[in-house]
Amino acid sequence: NAGVTQTPKFQVLKTGQSMTLQCAQDMNHNSMYWYRQDPGMGLRLIYYSASEGTTDKGEVPNGYNVSRLNKREFSLRLESAAPSQTSVYFCASSRTPSTGPLGELFFGEGSRLTVL
Amino acid sequence: AQSVAQPEDQVNVAEGNPLTVKCTYSVSGNPYLFWYVQYPNRGLQFLLKYITGDNLVKGSYGFEAEFNKSQTSFHLKKPSALVSDSALYFCAVRDREGYSTLTFGKGTMLLVSP
Repeated sequence: NAGVTQTPKFQVLKTGQSMTLQCAQDMNHNSMYWYRQDPGMGLRLIYYSASEGTTDKGEVPNGYNVSRLNKREFSLRLESAAPSQTSVYFCASSRTPSTGPLGELFFGEGSRLTVL
Repeated sequence: AQSVAQPEDQVNVAEGNPLTVKCTYSVSGNPYLFWYVQYPNRGLQFLLKYITGDNLVKGSYGFEAEFNKSQTSFHLKKPSALVSDSALYFCAVRDREGYSTLTFGKGTMLLVSP
């Protein structure tokens, strides 16, 4: 049972470099999310995709872009990395959009990104 | 706007004792409420949720949570703590009405000593 798979698990970037975090889920979920986790700040939503073909901004979208490639895959891109983007990034998926009661999230293992 | 407060950064309890991790919420309407647990270097795992009905919700690993509408609280409880319960716990809320995503609290570290 793979669930939600994120790659890479670790990455070190220099300021100004770009990179893409990949996420795939094999649970046939409709909705996918990208969160960042920082000490003392909990999880903050970056972007989400309620269903294939749609994406929306979350709480902290600046400096990021996303692509919902198909129903399984949802990628997060940093075009010009900054030290403030040093964080642990989590991808998650849910069966239904957030309008319903069944939308508990299933999380990947996380991607630890350091920007120097 | 919706928000969650977890007033304790850390909770310490001895193994075998009951534990409580506190959570209060704010939504414009009625809430859906969730608890998640995160073990070191892992993603979050769903523990339990309150949707409707009985105010006492039972979840995984012997945990339960009590929904209190008048106090806008959803505290996580377990009658007898285990060392293996030591982890980071997150409360989350979503408004029933309209369209909203899940908002997480900042997390509470639970440390259970032998």
